[in-house]
Amino acid sequence: NAGVTQTPKFRILKIGQSMTLQCTQDMNHNYMYWYRQDPGMGLKLIYYSVGAGITDKGEVPNGYNVSRSTTEDFPLRLELAAPSQTSVYFCASSERRDTQYFGPGTRLTVL
Amino acid sequence: DQQVKQNSPSLSVQEGRISILNCDYTNSMFDYFLWYKKYPAEGPTFLISISSIKDKNEDGRFTVFLNKSAKHLSLHIVPSQPGDSAVYFCAALYNNNDMRFGAGTRLTVKP
Repeated sequence: NAGVTQTPKFRILKIGQSMTLQCTQDMNHNYMYWYRQDPGMGLKLIYYSVGAGITDKGEVPNGYNVSRSTTEDFPLRLELAAPSQTSVYFCASSERRDTQYFGPGTRLTVL
Repeated sequence: DQQVKQNSPSLSVQEGRISILNCDYTNSMFDYFLWYKKYPAEGPTFLISISSIKDKNEDGRFTVFLNKSAKHLSLHIVPSQPGDSAVYFCAALYNNNDMRFGAGTRLTVKP
């Protein structure tokens, strides 16, 4: 059981570039989430999904898009990268709405 | 607006003593509270949780106390061990899937 895996681990983007952060879970969880963590701050929810084909906005969705075509995968898309999106991104999954299992994170720098 | 606050960015305790980490919240609609532990370069891991209908939950060395009237919860670790050194996040849920996190408290347990 790998749990929640995220790729890449690190990435540097130029302003205006786009990229997709990948997230896969092998626990057959219905719920999946994307968070960002800025230095000295707590995690903030970007988007979440309660099942394949269903996604919804979290606290800070602007500048991001998601899709959920399968139970296992929940990619996060940045279309026009901005310096304000420099952060560590965590994907998580859960069976219920409470206990979430997190991936190791993707550290993104936008220059 | 920061609905979940951890006002102590850091805490240092001696091995074997009690660690008390505090968390305050402003939204009275929160109905479930969780503590997560995070090591560097890893995702947060679930530690312990408590429903708003309870005032205490215990799991081994970890106990969470909830004071709803004060909108305050605390995590007690007894006895503290050097391996407990990490950043601890308080989180809260209300009637959706939007989990709000505090900024974290860095606990250092000295041998």
